[in-house]
Amino acid sequence: AQTVTQSQPEMSVQEAETVTLSCTYDTSESDYYLFWYKQPPSRQMILVIRQEAYKQQNATENRFSVNFQKAAKSFSLKISDSQLGDAAMYFCAYKAPDQGAQKLVFGQGTRLTINP
Amino acid sequence: DTGVSQDPRHKITKRGQNVTFRCDPISEHNRLYWYRQTLGQGPEFLTYFQNEAQLEKSRLLSDRFSAERPKGSFSTLEIQRTEQGDSAMYLCASSVAGGRSEQFFGPGTRLTVL
Repeated sequence: AQTVTQSQPEMSVQEAETVTLSCTYDTSESDYYLFWYKQPPSRQMILVIRQEAYKQQNATENRFSVNFQKAAKSFSLKISDSQLGDAAMYFCAYKAPDQGAQKLVFGQGTRLTINP
Repeated sequence: DTGVSQDPRHKITKRGQNVTFRCDPISEHNRLYWYRQTLGQGPEFLTYFQNEAQLEKSRLLSDRFSAERPKGSFSTLEIQRTEQGDSAMYLCASSVAGGRSEQFFGPGTRLTVL
């Protein structure tokens, strides 16, 4: 079974600095999808960024980028120029390709605090 | 369209009672998912529908849990004979078909079993 591990329960960063959140996963599949979701306090979960495993190029979305290391099964999220609104729980998630299970498998989450 | 909606947002019940939650997905989404999230943890998958067909169920979904999606529109999740261990946030998500498709999440229903 696929598993996702986030080894950092909490992280903090100064406003405008850069922070990297770690995620490792385990799968025997060669094709899959990886996601980072953000869950602000008392608000619903939203997608931050996604990565297709067949793509070698790391995904970027404005201030958010990933470092996808397929052989190491590592998928870290880098947030540049951190803003107060980035404070939230961040979840790494795995999903099999379309012919497989459609569920998202989530890690335990990392609580990110932004210090002004 | 305003996104995925869930009702109620909060539910307090006594142990042994039955509860039912509703999820309204984004209108053009044919896939609907239920997850359960306990405090400080990531969401865990419960079940998934494509249109009205329930295609996948987690072992977490005991026989006290049942989900339906009549006519492939809204979905209900019922928990019978609630237990204190059922206290959690119940999240609904929807998506279009396709592996890379984003799952859009609702605000969740927080269940407290006394």
